[in-house]
Amino acid sequence: DAGVIQSPRHEVTEMGQEVTLRCKPISGHDYLFWYRQTMMRGLELLIYFNNNVPIDDSGMPEDRFSAKMPNASFSTLKIQPSEPRDSAVYFCASSRGSHYEQYFGPGTRLTVT
Amino acid sequence: DQQVKQNSPSLSVQEGRISILNCDYTNSMFDYFLWYKKYPAEGPTFLISISSIKDKNEDGRFTVFLNKSAKHLSLHIVPSQPGDSAVYFCAASDSNYQLIWGAGTKLIIKP
Repeated sequence: DAGVIQSPRHEVTEMGQEVTLRCKPISGHDYLFWYRQTMMRGLELLIYFNNNVPIDDSGMPEDRFSAKMPNASFSTLKIQPSEPRDSAVYFCASSRGSHYEQYFGPGTRLTVT
Repeated sequence: DQQVKQNSPSLSVQEGRISILNCDYTNSMFDYFLWYKKYPAEGPTFLISISSIKDKNEDGRFTVFLNKSAKHLSLHIVPSQPGDSAVYFCAASDSNYQLIWGAGTKLIIKP
C-alpha cells in the first residue's frame, strides 16, 4: 500500500485566498484525522471522521476551517479566507478500528503571506 | 493545560548507549499510551504502545515503561543507533479515545 497520500506537499498563498488540502487515506481504514503542527502548539487534532462521518470537530480553530470526506478514499481540509497565523504543517492520518495506531501522511507545509 | 508533557526538548546520546525518553501526564483516566517517531519532512510513525494494565512492553530495541502512580512513562532504546535520531512524541488516549500529544523530544545519536 502507498500509505497516506497528501497533496500538495507545499503551499504558499497570500492572505485572504482559499486553500484546499487533500488526503487519501490507506485503503480499508475507517478513521481519518486532520492535525496541525506548529512550533507554539505542537501537534493538534483538528477533526476526525469515522466511516466518512465527522465525529469531533472541536479542534477546528474557526469557521474559516472546514473539512469534508465525500467517500472512504478522499478528504479535504479547506481554509477560507487564509491568514498568516494559519501557517503550519497539516497532517492527515488514518487508522483501522481505533484511534491508536494512526498512520500519518507526509504533511502539507502551508505558508500564508 | 498540557495533559501530556515531554519536558526535555532534546537529548543527545552516544551511539551504542541507552536512550531514555520521558513523558509525564496529568489525567489519571488515560488508559493507553503510545510513542511515535518523526523524521524531518515526514509524518509521525507509530513505534510502540502500552496499555494501562501493564507496566512494561518490549519490542526489539524499544521498551516502554509505565508508572501509573507517578503518571510517568519512558521509552528506552538500547543500543542506540544513528537511525534513531528523530523527534519522539508521546501520546495518550483519553476517555473519548482521542490521542493527546506531547510536544516531542529531539533525540540526537552521536557517532
